[in-house]
Amino acid sequence: DADVTQTPRNRITKTGKRIMLECSQTKGHDRMYWYRQDPGLGLRLIYYSFDVKDINKGEISDGYSVSRQAQAKFSLSLESAIPNQTALYFCATSDSQGINVADTQYFGPGTRLTVL
Amino acid sequence: AQSVAQPEDQVNVAEGNPLTVKCTYSVSGNPYLFWYVQYPNRGLQFLLKYITGDNLVKGSYGFEAEFNKSQTSFHLKKPSALVSDSALYFCAVRLTGTYKYIFGTGTRLKVLA
Repeated sequence: DADVTQTPRNRITKTGKRIMLECSQTKGHDRMYWYRQDPGLGLRLIYYSFDVKDINKGEISDGYSVSRQAQAKFSLSLESAIPNQTALYFCATSDSQGINVADTQYFGPGTRLTVL
Repeated sequence: AQSVAQPEDQVNVAEGNPLTVKCTYSVSGNPYLFWYVQYPNRGLQFLLKYITGDNLVKGSYGFEAEFNKSQTSFHLKKPSALVSDSALYFCAVRLTGTYKYIFGTGTRLKVLA
């Protein structure tokens, strides 16, 4: 979805390096998410944020941190990259309509990260 | 443990034939159910969702899904497959009373000309 952009699209780095993946959205949504996709495992939630001051850990947050710089921007950092963080990373957004509303998620194109 | 299962890694179907991509779930409560599609080098795109009401949900690109509460299934269907439907399909549930989504492992659909 062109309304959700991710940079870079591809990145190769070495073990121990600090990496930042960036996500921007023009959909005006409050909620933003970071997922990683691994073959055979589907998508797993790393972190999610409901607004600039509200950040929450997902199921696999160890080794990652995030920053919500503005409503439209949500960055994911790997403080010290390791090879098993090699994966496809997706940012997603959704509109805040309440906990009992099935909000649809809109995904960016993904960042392919390789840690050597 | 709460989970979503897509039992087939790959489904092959001839163009023009009906297709089914299976999804079953094991979660508490009455979750919201979704199907997303992923084309090569693209992010996931929303196809359809079930919230409540009619068990047959119609979505984008001619796809529909049938919700079966007793079998805890939400199979994706299309009456006549197109080669352009070839992609990776994900089933997902959002747990009741939470903002958490659980995704299945994905099923690769290949439509043969």
